[in-house]
Amino acid sequence: LAKTTQPISMDSYEGQEVNITCSHNNIATNDYITWYQQFPSQGPRFIIQGYKTKVTNEVASLFIPADRKSSTLSLPRVSLSDTAVYYCLVGERRLTGGGNKLTFGTGTQLKVEL
Amino acid sequence: NAGVTQTPKFQVLKTGQSMTLQCAQDMNHNSMYWYRQDPGMGLRLIYYSASEGTTDKGEVPNGYNVSRLNKREFSLRLESAAPSQTSVYFCASREGNQPQHFGDGTRLSIL
Repeated sequence: LAKTTQPISMDSYEGQEVNITCSHNNIATNDYITWYQQFPSQGPRFIIQGYKTKVTNEVASLFIPADRKSSTLSLPRVSLSDTAVYYCLVGERRLTGGGNKLTFGTGTQLKVEL
Repeated sequence: NAGVTQTPKFQVLKTGQSMTLQCAQDMNHNSMYWYRQDPGMGLRLIYYSASEGTTDKGEVPNGYNVSRLNKREFSLRLESAAPSQTSVYFCASREGNQPQHFGDGTRLSIL
């Protein structure tokens, strides 16, 4: 399983754009990149997933360069409620049956202030 | 819209006691997972079940057993609890190539 490296913590202010970069130098050809968000006393929640280039949904964008050795989660105009731990995961996205094993690193603690 | 439900939410055990953590999902997912999360750390996979009737070890399986009772339920058992197993335990499920859905965890303390 590919190992990921993220910053331990980041600080931001409300209304700013936050970019969290994750390194995954030994990503395999079949690996997808997935980001989860975790609030205290809750389980992780899926944010976004991608394979290459750029993916955007209603809450975030994911930028993946051509070599796929890193990825950047972009949160536009953060608010206090975005304060959470963000995990970058790399793993194979099996098409049937499931069972792929994802490895969670220590994540990035994002703190948003007024 | 329950999703993944874990019981109990909190539990305190004495060293050597046994306990089963319950997990049920109502999304008809094939795969289910058990993770543990220690303070300040990410989640580590204990066991997973790719489909009903199958189970496999994850990263940290020692001291645990699992049962995939049916498609909905996946239980985690501690036969003889140890203080090192004090942690927050999360259950998750997924279907095919979709992301995992997590429960809100069971906080387990072993004295």
